[in-house]
Amino acid sequence: GAVVSQHPSRVICKSGTSVKIECRSLDFQATTMFWYRQFPKKSLMLMATSNEGSKATYEQGVEKDKFLINHASLTLSTLTVTSAHPEDSSFYICSANSFPRVNEQYFGPGTRLTVT
Amino acid sequence: AQSVAQPEDQVNVAEGNPLTVKCTYSVSGNPYLFWYVQYPNRGLQFLLKYITGDNLVKGSYGFEAEFNKSQTSFHLKKPSALVSDSALYFCAVRDILSFNKFYFGSGTKLNVKP
Repeated sequence: GAVVSQHPSRVICKSGTSVKIECRSLDFQATTMFWYRQFPKKSLMLMATSNEGSKATYEQGVEKDKFLINHASLTLSTLTVTSAHPEDSSFYICSANSFPRVNEQYFGPGTRLTVT
Repeated sequence: AQSVAQPEDQVNVAEGNPLTVKCTYSVSGNPYLFWYVQYPNRGLQFLLKYITGDNLVKGSYGFEAEFNKSQTSFHLKKPSALVSDSALYFCAVRDILSFNKFYFGSGTKLNVKP
């Protein structure tokens, strides 16, 4: 089956710094990648949708300047949390699908971000 | 807008008993519905989906789900629960009008006790 990886799996950073999370599709070309944030009480929130070579589409309430998303190639998308604060601590999960199999969405293992 | 709701935060069941995890949906047009499972500190794993066809959908690990249009429900079921089924379960709907985004329910924690 299709595999999506995320790096790093876990990161701790200091308040005010930026951190980048990578999402890669290992054995398929991802037409679209999605970024989710999972809060402690388990709710999975869609943050943004990115298509290769174009700007990401952010969900309402998600700060574009804080959560920078780049989808530079068909196998790589990055999420950069800028000027991180403790409230940004969360579990971030990416997923990807590939046209025309849009009913198949493959999830990465997630990245645990802790901001101290 | 497309959405799904999971009314139960937690479901407790004894091993060997049948289990049901509930999901209701609200969609415009035909629903594209999914179930995913998440183990601690892991990403989501696909269990099954309903696109069209038979209302009873069979998926991975012995799970199945019943699509009920009149009740706008898509409940996840398994005839005999295993302790290893204990995990977080998410119902999801695909928004075909908006980049094929998936929207997830709030999740239901399934506890299967020996």
